[in-house]
Amino acid sequence: DAKTTQPTSMDCAEGRAANLPCNHSTISGNEYVYWYRQIHSQGPQYIIHGLKNNETNEMASLIITEDRKSSTLILPHATLRDTAVYYCIVRVPGGTSYGKLTFGQGTILTVHP
Amino acid sequence: SQTIHQWPATLVQPVGSPLSLECTVEGTSNPNLYWYRQAAGRGLQLLFYSVGIGQISSEVPQNLSASRPQDRQFILSSKKLLLSDSGFYLCAWSPGQLSYEQYFGPGTRLTVT
Repeated sequence: DAKTTQPTSMDCAEGRAANLPCNHSTISGNEYVYWYRQIHSQGPQYIIHGLKNNETNEMASLIITEDRKSSTLILPHATLRDTAVYYCIVRVPGGTSYGKLTFGQGTILTVHP
Repeated sequence: SQTIHQWPATLVQPVGSPLSLECTVEGTSNPNLYWYRQAAGRGLQLLFYSVGIGQISSEVPQNLSASRPQDRQFILSSKKLLLSDSGFYLCAWSPGQLSYEQYFGPGTRLTVT
């Protein structure tokens, strides 16, 4: 699996966009980028995933650079409830791994009033 | 829609006592199932995963075991708890090995005293 590097922590003002970066310079051509978040004392929550094209859903947008060596998760209008640890995971779906996810330390996002 | 249940929500057990945590999934069939543990201030560690009834794979040697007696039921057990077994235990499911969109339950917070 490609390793990912994320900043340890970030701050964001409520109502502003939160941009969370992730570096995955050793990503291979068939590896997807997945984002999860974990709010304190809760289980992780799936946010979004992508291969090479930018993706958007009701929660967030995922921007993947053309060389796929980095990506950015964008929360367009952050709220206090978005305060959480955000995990960037790079993995190939399927195969003998049966969907196992390896969570790193992630980025602690704190949204301030 | 699919839902995942875990119980109990919290548990305090003495060292040396047995453990049984249960996880059930509704609204899907033949899911992949996973047990994770999160020690205080640490990341998520995958403990076990299962791709079918009676099929269990262990990720790390430990004092715990898992069983899958029914398609949508996953049980985590121990014969004798250790202090180091304390943590936040999370069950998750995914639609199949081609998907890395895992959906997590609410978790069980276990304190071994």
